[in-house]
Amino acid sequence: EIVMTQSPATLSVSPGERATLSCRASQSVGSKLAWYQQKPGQAPRLLFFAASTRAADIPGRFSGGGSGTEFTLIISSLQSEDFAVYYCQQYNGWPRTFGQGTKVEI
Amino acid sequence: EVQLVESGGGLVQPGGSLRLSCVVSGFTFSSFSMNWVRQAPGRGPEWVSFISASSSIIYYADSVKGRFTISRDNAKNSLYLQMNSLRDDDTAVYYCARPGSVYDAFDIWGQGTMVTVSS
Repeated sequence: EIVMTQSPATLSVSPGERATLSCRASQSVGSKLAWYQQKPGQAPRLLFFAASTRAADIPGRFSGGGSGTEFTLIISSLQSEDFAVYYCQQYNGWPRTFGQGTKVEI
Repeated sequence: EVQLVESGGGLVQPGGSLRLSCVVSGFTFSSFSMNWVRQAPGRGPEWVSFISASSSIIYYADSVKGRFTISRDNAKNSLYLQMNSLRDDDTAVYYCARPGSVYDAFDIWGQGTMVTVSS
């Protein structure tokens, strides 16, 4: 099983600041990495697939990058609606596995 | 509008059974594989099971293998999860999730149905 490790667990930032979230895979997943955003009481929402391809309707202030075992999600200027929990997930192998999440809070 | 609607959750005693359903609309169900993903309270999502479009390929997480059974009825646009021998640690919100047409990330999720296993 591929273990996904996210850091930090919690990121405290102010609106307008830049946030950098990291995700590490225990073995290479190539570029088969997705990022999700989840707000309380809602299902996860796909932000990126293929590590760096934005899903539909995702604003340009979000960017994703990396390959192999190291991945990054950057939010260039945090808006109030961006405060949420973010998960990475690999889809290179079975079982599909998620990271434990990074909570972005004020 | 693409939509996935789960149902069938509830409170069940340890050792009991439940059958979850997911009815889809807005896309050609028979062309897509499907998944069940669960999320325990305060935890991250956990993938549970996969079924291919024709039902010919099925995978399970080790944590549910031998206890859960995934199935689908393409004529009814429906996905199912039969859950037997339920345990306390099966308590979670259960989501059905669809991968994209050219990638396997989950681009469409239902609203989830809560399963609580408790005596």
